[in-house]
Amino acid sequence: DVKVTQSSRYLVKRTGEKVFLECVQDMDHENMFWYRQDPGLGLRLIYFSYDVKMKEKGDIPEGYSVSREKKERFSLILESASTNQTSMYLCASIPGGAIHQPQHFGDGTRLSIL
Amino acid sequence: KNEVEQSPQNLTAQEGEFITINCSYSVGISALHWLQQHPGGGIVSLFMLSSGKKKHGRLIATINIQEKHSSLHITASHPRDSAVYICAVRLGGNQFYFGTGTSLTVIP
Repeated sequence: DVKVTQSSRYLVKRTGEKVFLECVQDMDHENMFWYRQDPGLGLRLIYFSYDVKMKEKGDIPEGYSVSREKKERFSLILESASTNQTSMYLCASIPGGAIHQPQHFGDGTRLSIL
Repeated sequence: KNEVEQSPQNLTAQEGEFITINCSYSVGISALHWLQQHPGGGIVSLFMLSSGKKKHGRLIATINIQEKHSSLHITASHPRDSAVYICAVRLGGNQFYFGTGTSLTVIP
């Protein structure tokens, strides 16, 4: 079974801090995604990576950056955390070119910015 | 405008009831996914459909491509089915759109 592991389930940080959320998958998937999930809004794509060092902006990239130095690891960075970035963050992965395969999700990180 | 609309938003059922959750979408898709999210956050994939119907245990998913509509049915519902059910569509490539979810509570 594919395993997508997010480094923290719960995280509390202060406004202005630089925050790192880590995601690791163990099935050699090319594509990895970072979403945030807010009540009433569903999942929204922050960034997507289709290969090492390759990234594309999603629908809401402002205030975020990403890093993919190794195929298995996709990091989300909040450059200067703000209270409106308090949310549930979900990482997902999927094989490259696999139209008929589902995304595999991590357990999520519930991030609170105080 | 949401590309994926789910109904109902919230649903409470008695144990044993037959449950239907609906999903309508407005874009051309390569596949539709039904996802389950339990309290605590983790999301698991229940079904992926591009046509017809799929069944897994007490869960049945159907899709009508012409009408751009899918349904998720749960037969003989149980309290452990309580979760948020999310409909997601995949466009060609790696673009996904997600519904806002249906929160299901099954009462013993």
